[in-house]
Formats: sequence, structure tokens, C-alpha cells
Amino acid sequence: EAQVTQNPRYLITVTGKKLTVTCSQNMNHEYMSWYRQDPGLGLRQIYYSMNVEVTDKGDVPEGYKVSRKEKRNFPLILESPSPNQTSLYFCASSWTSSHEQYFGPGTRLTVT
Amino acid sequence: GIQVEQSPPDLILQEGANSTLRCNFSDSVNNLQWFHQNPWGQLINLFYIPSGTKQNGRLSATTVATERYSLLYISSSQTTDSGVYFCAVELGAAGNKLTFGGGTRVLVKP
Repeated sequence: EAQVTQNPRYLITVTGKKLTVTCSQNMNHEYMSWYRQDPGLGLRQIYYSMNVEVTDKGDVPEGYKVSRKEKRNFPLILESPSPNQTSLYFCASSWTSSHEQYFGPGTRLTVT
Repeated sequence: GIQVEQSPPDLILQEGANSTLRCNFSDSVNNLQWFHQNPWGQLINLFYIPSGTKQNGRLSATTVATERYSLLYISSSQTTDSGVYFCAVELGAAGNKLTFGGGTRVLVKP
């Protein structure tokens, strides 16, 4: 089954404790992206990757890191999480940014 | 300024009613998608429709790229249609990302 998976689905953590949210797709897509969704602010792009080893900042990259060492995986890293990073996070993939994007199930993160 | 605008922001329907959701955008588009976000937060692809018309069951969508708008039609609405509907576009001037509209929150009452 073609899909985008994210783990964990839910996470409660404390300020400053490094964490990684994994994202994996099995569709051989070139393009992958991370978004966060916040009430009143909608969905905003954090980082994207056009291909392996090619990543670039989106609208709200501060406090996040990404890597793209393999085509299928695009982890989101929070080196020192803060409460303002409490949000619902989505990973997405597609052939290119101009093709239909498929979204993962979301990761609900709470930073206390 | 606002680049992707959806209307109405909220919609209450009686089960069985039809409705139209609108998405206006400010530039040419390379990609336009409609999503339904269910009560569990999942974003479900409805349509990939940068131009033209598509239908899928009770849902259909039309994008008129030259006039910079897209419409999502829900016919014979059901309670399972409740949730938030998002239009997302890749604008020509801001490539490599989807810009989401603010969404239309739909409640279908039995």
C-alpha cells in the first residue's frame, strides 16, 4: 500500500530534550516536506527536500533541522524543543512539488 | 497579503443538502489540491486539480486557473462529510511548497 508513515503519532516531552520525528514514504517520491499546523495559523511549511541530500527552508524553519540521506526517509529533528513548538506536524511526499502531495497521519507534539 | 482565501469559513448543513466551497488564489498555480481533515486530524486527499473538472462520488471540483479560483461541490451531504476542507496551492511565484487556505469548517447535522 502506497503511504507516508510518521512516528511517533503522539509525543509529550519537556523543554530542551532533543527529539526526532521520523517520516518514511514507499512511493519512490523525490520531493518531501514537513508542515506544522496551529490553530488560527493554518498549515505552514517548515522544510522541504527536492531530492536526496537537497534540503531547503520553508516558512518557519527556526528551531528545526532535517536530513535526507535516503530517498524514502526525511526525519525532523528538534535539537532543543520549546513550548512554542507544540503543534501538529505533517510529513508529505510527491514526485515534485507540482504533483499531488500525499500526507502522513500527523504527529501531535506537546512540549512542556 | 493573503494568497489563498477560502469561503465560507464555516458551513452548517442539514444531511442531504448540497453545498459549494470556494478557493481564491492570487497567482498562477502549478498545483492545486483539496483536502478533507477529519476529526482525528488526518489530511485526506480529495482532488489534485490545477485545472479542469473532476468528480469522485458525491464530490466534484472545478478549477478555473485563468480566473484564479477553484470550487469544491458536496452533493447529498452526509454526517461523515463533517470536518475541515482545505484548498492548497503551489503558487507560481512561491514554488516548492503548498500554501494552504484557512479552511472551511463543515458540520453536517443528521
